[in-house]
Amino acid sequence: AQTVTQSQPEMSVQEAETVTLSCTYDTSENNYYLFWYKQPPSRQMILVIRQEAYKQQNATENRFSVNFQKAAKSFSLKISDSQLGDTAMYFCAFMKLYYGGATNKLIFGTGTLLAVQP
Amino acid sequence: AAGVIQSPRHLIKEKRETATLKCYPIPRHDTVYWYQQGPGQDPQFLISFYEKMQSDKGSIPDRFSAQQFSDYHSELNMSSLELGDSALYFCASRRAGGPLDEQFFGPGTRLTVL
Repeated sequence: AQTVTQSQPEMSVQEAETVTLSCTYDTSENNYYLFWYKQPPSRQMILVIRQEAYKQQNATENRFSVNFQKAAKSFSLKISDSQLGDTAMYFCAFMKLYYGGATNKLIFGTGTLLAVQP
Repeated sequence: AAGVIQSPRHLIKEKRETATLKCYPIPRHDTVYWYQQGPGQDPQFLISFYEKMQSDKGSIPDRFSAQQFSDYHSELNMSSLELGDSALYFCASRRAGGPLDEQFFGPGTRLTVL
């Protein structure tokens, strides 16, 4: 079974600074995706960034980037130029890929609560 | 752009009552996933449907049942409600023929059991 671990329950960063959220996972699979989801106080689940396991290049979306270390099973999220609107719970998630079917469920970590301070 | 619709958004029930949560996926989406997020917890996968057939099942209690209808909307039926069923229930959908990793989340239904 796959597991996702986020060892930082809470983090704080000053506005405009950079912060890194950690995530490790355990799997014996080769074909999978990794995600970071943001859940603000509204509780809406918002996709921040995704990484395909077969791609060595780290994904980047504007101020958000990941450091994907497949051998170490590590998937950290870096937020640059932090903004007040980045304050939220961040979940790391794993998805094993099943081709030809639809059972691509997400397995989430326990989350990291990020507070951006003015 | 159309999003996943969940109704009701908030629901308050008493113990031992029943509840029905509805999910309307984005048009042309044929796959629906249900997740349960307890207070202070991460979302947990409950069940999924593809083309109106159950495709996977997670930690869903026997008191819960779900189905997907011909118009692809899905309903999660919960009976003999317990205090521990209080949670945010998310529905997500995936486009027919779309990327396998794609899931669009609805706003969730907050169920409170008193």
